[in-house]
Amino acid sequence: KQEVTQIPAALSVPEGENLVLNCSFTDSAIYNLQWFRQDPGKGLTSLLLIQSSQREQTSGRLNASLDKSSGRSTLYIAASQPGDSATYLCAVFLRVTGNQFYFGTGTSLTVIP
Amino acid sequence: EAQVTQNPRYLITVTGKKLTVTCSQNMNHEYMSWYRQDPGLGLRQIYYSMNVEVTDKGDVPEGYKVSRKEKRNFPLILESPSPNQTSLYFCASSFMLAEHSYEQYFGPGTRLTVT
Repeated sequence: KQEVTQIPAALSVPEGENLVLNCSFTDSAIYNLQWFRQDPGKGLTSLLLIQSSQREQTSGRLNASLDKSSGRSTLYIAASQPGDSATYLCAVFLRVTGNQFYFGTGTSLTVIP
Repeated sequence: EAQVTQNPRYLITVTGKKLTVTCSQNMNHEYMSWYRQDPGLGLRQIYYSMNVEVTDKGDVPEGYKVSRKEKRNFPLILESPSPNQTSLYFCASSFMLAEHSYEQYFGPGTRLTVT
């Protein structure tokens, strides 16, 4: 069964700092990896999706990379802002016994003004 | 506006009383799924559907039923809810970006409490 791990579980940084969130997965036969943001009590907002054939995707201050062979993805946030405070989740899509998504437990980010 | 809607958003019920949480999407997506989110366990897929009349079990299907009679709707049914089904539930729909690659869009969530 696919295991998806996100470390650290919580992170606190001062405003303006660049930061990296990590996501690792055990089965490298993924079709894609998607990063989400979740605000307290709210739904998930898609940030970036990397297909298995891609190495990275960028959107504004966000950059996500994927290394399938090592089972890792990183989400880089440049010049962090208090509005970036949220929980960040990664999810992989793969076909093992079915076409399923597997989520990590998330990293709770706090950006201190 | 493209969206996934869920109803109700909040529900408090008693053990054994059948309930249905509705999910609807207006994006013509083929793939839909239900998740539950619990502290420390993250999101876990309950059921998913690749298309109309096709449903499959996810990782935690026990105690749940689903149906997919129309492309836009994917209701989650709890025939006899129990307290361990107290959780935050999300519906998601997905479209195929490329072969075998799906991008998910989530509903706002339904907070269910079973007493």
